[in-house]
Amino acid sequence: DVKVTQSSRYLVKRTGEKVFLECVQDMDHENMFWYRQDPGLGLRLIYFSYDVKMKEKGDIPEGYSVSREKKERFSLILESASTNQTSMYLCASSTGYGYTFGSGTRLTVV
Amino acid sequence: QKEVEQNSGPLSVPEGAIASLNCTYSDRGSQSFFWYRQYSGKSPELIMFIYSNGDKEDGRFTAQLNKASQYVSLLIRDSQPSDSATYLCAAGGGGGADGLTFGKGTHLIIQP
Repeated sequence: DVKVTQSSRYLVKRTGEKVFLECVQDMDHENMFWYRQDPGLGLRLIYFSYDVKMKEKGDIPEGYSVSREKKERFSLILESASTNQTSMYLCASSTGYGYTFGSGTRLTVV
Repeated sequence: QKEVEQNSGPLSVPEGAIASLNCTYSDRGSQSFFWYRQYSGKSPELIMFIYSNGDKEDGRFTAQLNKASQYVSLLIRDSQPSDSATYLCAAGGGGGADGLTFGKGTHLIIQP
């Protein structure tokens, strides 16, 4: 089975901090994605990548950036964390037949 | 703006009955459709995907796609209490390589 690992299950950060969320997949997938999930809003796509050093904006990229230096690793960066970025962040990878999600990182910005 | 609409529920179904979950999508260019199950506090897990009009069966699950009506459904036969979860419908381009658009989910409750 494909495994997608997110480095932290829970994070608490202060407003203005730079935050790194790490995601690693072990099945050589080309496509990787970052979503956030909020009650009443569902899953919303932040950024995705279909190859090393390639990135594409999703529906809500503002306040975020990403890095993909190696195929297996896709990082989400909050340049200056704000309270409205408190959310569940989900990483996923795909061959094109549906995603495998990581276990998620619940980020609280105080 | 691509949208996927689902009734949020809760949808309550007796154990052993058929649960029917529905969604509609706005983008006629969508080619791939997915159903995910999400337990409270957990991440979504893929149940089924469907690309072609008609039915696709996998065990107790049947996905149905009608592209003319822009309608996708999931039937769960012989519903079990362990099927109680939120079910997310998603639509995307070919294989979803450019990102999937998710509905907000339907909360399903199977009553013992």
